[in-house]
Amino acid sequence: KNEVEQSPQNLTAQEGEFITINCSYSVGISALHWLQQHPGGGIVSLFMLSSGKKKHGRLIATINIQEKHSSLHITASHPRDSAVYICAVPPRGGGADGLTFGKGTHLIIQP
Amino acid sequence: KAGVTQTPRYLIKTRGQQVTLSCSPISGHRSVSWYQQTPGQGLQFLFEYFSETQRNKGNFPGRFSGRQFSNSRSEMNVSTLELGDSALYLCASEGTPSYNEQFFGPGTRLTVL
Repeated sequence: KNEVEQSPQNLTAQEGEFITINCSYSVGISALHWLQQHPGGGIVSLFMLSSGKKKHGRLIATINIQEKHSSLHITASHPRDSAVYICAVPPRGGGADGLTFGKGTHLIIQP
Repeated sequence: KAGVTQTPRYLIKTRGQQVTLSCSPISGHRSVSWYQQTPGQGLQFLFEYFSETQRNKGNFPGRFSGRQFSNSRSEMNVSTLELGDSALYLCASEGTPSYNEQFFGPGTRLTVL
């Protein structure tokens, strides 16, 4: 089973700061997901990436398949970015475990 | 297109009772996955259904079960509730089970007293 580690667990920053959240995993994968969960529980899929970099607005996700590592960056952070960010990896070869999730990074952006 | 819906949104039960949660996927989606989220363990995979068949099951006791109907709606059932079953239960749907992009519902928050 893939072990997924995220860091940091908690992050508090000031509005406008550049934010980086890291995710590493133990077993090679074909793709990785970044999810966002706001208070109240709803989860939104931000990115699925299998190589290189993806950008959506102020969010950038990168992945290095060889190093088994991915990062999520937020530029010009804003209080509305406050949420829990979770990385997740799918099972290998359509295996039986469903998505495996990191424990999440609780981000607070202060005005 | 309507999103994934889950009912009820909140539920309070006592130990020993059983509970049934419902998930209606996005129209046209035939794959439904269920997840449990607790503060201690985070998000964990429960099971996945596709075309009324359970494809995968996570490492949970047999008290946790589910099913999927011909219209792709899915239910999960927990029997003989324990305090540790208090959690947010999320379902997610996809067109087919590829794990490319799962659309999550708002979740059902279950409290066991």
